[in-house]
Amino acid sequence: QVQLVESGGGLVKPGGSLRLSCAGSGSTFSDYYMSWIRQAPGKGLEWVSYISSSSSYTNYAGSVKGRFTISRDNAKNSLYLQMNSLRDEDTAVYYCARGGGSSSSHFDYWGQGTLVTVSS
Amino acid sequence: QSALTQPPSVSGSPGQSVTISCTGTSSDVGSYNRVSWYQQPPGTAPKLMIYEVSNRPSGVPDRFSGSKSGNTASLTISGLQAEDEADYYCSSYTSSSTYVFGTGTKVTVL
Repeated sequence: QVQLVESGGGLVKPGGSLRLSCAGSGSTFSDYYMSWIRQAPGKGLEWVSYISSSSSYTNYAGSVKGRFTISRDNAKNSLYLQMNSLRDEDTAVYYCARGGGSSSSHFDYWGQGTLVTVSS
Repeated sequence: QSALTQPPSVSGSPGQSVTISCTGTSSDVGSYNRVSWYQQPPGTAPKLMIYEVSNRPSGVPDRFSGSKSGNTASLTISGLQAEDEADYYCSSYTSSSTYVFGTGTKVTVL
């Protein structure tokens, strides 16, 4: 069974930085595109970013482009999201999910999410 | 990229059918069969219910079905059950090689 476990969330001041991690198990992590998707409190889902299996291709939502960086370490079965210049509107539960990219069509496994709160 | 448009809520009695619409544009839903649907009960992570417009992953009841016409995709839940009460979101691949989600629909079982 595929399992994804996020960590690294917490309280950060506006303008600050935070790095999220996602540990994968139960499948060949390196075979798949991976994505980050977020959900602000009481709001809907918003796709944030994806990265190809070999890290050769990434893409970002306009709302985070230039501030967030997605990366992965296939040897550690891990996905990361470096978040810089954080804003109040980045407050959300951040989910990692398997899938994304031009060769996929959906997100078939999700983690339980990690909460990021941006507030002074 | 604007969110896909879904009705805020739909409701039905047990055993009835409900349909949720998901309206996009010719840059997303209308151009790709990469539409998927997710179920999210309160306080839990989303779960994939339908992918590529009408395909069900293993383990998803056949009461759930999907379709698409033009820029609008639809999810139908037949034989509504109490356990189906949740928020539902559609998603589509876009011409910018990104993904967009719908605004979400709360399904209430009366």
